Amino acid sequence: DSGVTQTPKHLITATGQRVTLRCSPRSGDLSVYWYQQSLDQGLQFLIQYYNGEERAKGNILERFSAQQFPDLHSELNLSSLELGDSALYFCASSTSPAGAFYEQYFGPGTRLTVT
Amino acid sequence: GDSVTQMEGPVTLSEEAFLTINCTYTATGYPSLFWYVQYPGEGLQLLLKATKADDKGSNKGFEATYRKETTSFHLEKGSVQVSDSAVYFCALSDNQAGTALIFGKGTTLSVSS
Repeated sequence: DSGVTQTPKHLITATGQRVTLRCSPRSGDLSVYWYQQSLDQGLQFLIQYYNGEERAKGNILERFSAQQFPDLHSELNLSSLELGDSALYFCASSTSPAGAFYEQYFGPGTRLTVT
Repeated sequence: GDSVTQMEGPVTLSEEAFLTINCTYTATGYPSLFWYVQYPGEGLQLLLKATKADDKGSNKGFEATYRKETTSFHLEKGSVQVSDSAVYFCALSDNQAGTALIFGKGTTLSVSS
C-alpha cells in the first residue's frame, strides 16, 4: 500500500458526460501528479500540483482540468468525454516539487470506461 | 523532447532464468533514471533508480546501471521467480526541468515454473 488513495476505482459513463476523479496523497506529501495510461499512448503525464499551485503541465487536453485543495487532495475533472478518453488514470504524490530526486508514490488508479 | 524506448514484450521466461530488459533514453539535460513495476491490478511501484552517470540502482535482486555513453539503463536479474511476473516501465525525469516522469511503453514479463 503506497498510502495514496484514489476514488472511484471504476467509472463507466457515456460520451459527452463529465466526471471527477479524486486523489488523496500520502500524509505529508505536497506534490500531486496525474498520469493517464492507455493502450495506444502508454503512460503520459498530465499535470502536477504543488501545495495548491499548478507546477507543471504535460499532455493534458483542454477538456481536462485539475485542482489541489487546501487539505492537499486533488481532483481531475474530465468533460465532454470521448471514447478515446477511456483509460486508467493514476495519481502520484511526492514530498517535493523536484520529482527527480524524490520518489513518486502511485495510487491504484481509476479505470474510466466511456461508452 | 525527452523520450524513453524499451524493448517490446512480452518476455516469457522459465523460473531461475536470467532477465534483461533493454531501455535507452534521449534527453537534453542530465536525467535521473528509474525502473517501475506494475503488478496486475495495482499501481506502479518504484523498483530502483539512478540519479547520475555510472550509478547502479539495485533492489530485490534487480539491477540497472546508468550508462551515459550508450544512453542506456538496462534492467537485469540473475534468477527470476514466478512472482516477478509484472509489467516493467523504464522512466526518466529531467533534473533541471523538474518533476514529471517520462515513461517507456512498458515490457510485460511472464515467468513460468
